[in-house]
Amino acid sequence: DAGVTQSPTHLIKTRGQQVTLRCSPKSGHDTVSWYQQALGQGPQFIFQYYEEEERQRGNFPDRFSGHQFPNYSSELNVNALLLGDSALYLCASSLQKGTGDGRSYEQYFGPGTRLTVT
Amino acid sequence: AQSVSQHNHHVILSEAASLELGCNYSYGGTVNLFWYVQYPGQHLQLLLKYFSGDPLVKGIKGFEAEFIKSKFSFNLRKPSVQWSDTAEYFCAVNAPRTGGFKTIFGAGTRLFVKA
Repeated sequence: DAGVTQSPTHLIKTRGQQVTLRCSPKSGHDTVSWYQQALGQGPQFIFQYYEEEERQRGNFPDRFSGHQFPNYSSELNVNALLLGDSALYLCASSLQKGTGDGRSYEQYFGPGTRLTVT
Repeated sequence: AQSVSQHNHHVILSEAASLELGCNYSYGGTVNLFWYVQYPGQHLQLLLKYFSGDPLVKGIKGFEAEFIKSKFSFNLRKPSVQWSDTAEYFCAVNAPRTGGFKTIFGAGTRLFVKA
C-alpha cells in the first residue's frame, strides 16, 4: 500500500516564476492538506481540499492556489515566486471520521518537495 | 490567535535518560492532539494521537503522552531514550469547532541522544 507521494523531490526556481507541486494521497484517503515548512519551523497550514474544493485556507496570499482531482490527487501552485517561498512543501492525506465537533482525522505526510527560489 | 507552544527547542540527553517534551495549546473546546516525529532524512511520522477517552495515550516506540485539559497541555514522555530517538518532534492540534480543518503545529523540539 503506497503512502503519500509527492513530486518533484527538489525544485529550483527564479523569483517571479511559477511552480506546480503534485501529491498523490494514501490509498483510501479523500482529503489532502498542504503545508509549508520553513527551515527551523513547524509546518504551516496552507489549505485543505476535499471533494475537489478548497474547504479551509491558512494565512497565505492568493499567489498560493490548489486543485484536487477526481482521483483525490492534488496540486499546489505558487505564482510570482518570492525568495521567502523557499521551503519544504508537505502534502498530508487523511480520511475524516465522525461529524461536527466530533470529527477527527489522522494525517499521513509525504516526503515533501524542497523548493528553492533564487 | 490559536497557537501551539513547545517549550524546548533543543534537548540533549544521554541514552537511558528519561524524556519529557512540553506542549501547550491555546484552543478552547474539543481538540484533537498529535505528536509527530521527523527522523533525519525522513518524512513526518505520527507517534501518537488523542481524540477522546483515556487522557494517557500510548504510541509507537515506547512513547506516551498525557492530555491535561485544565492545563491545555499534551506532554510527550519516554522512560528511557535510545540513540535512535534522535529526531525532531512536533506537537500538533486541531479543533473541529473553533479551528475547522486546520492543524496547527508547534515549532518543534530537536532531540539529540548521546550514545
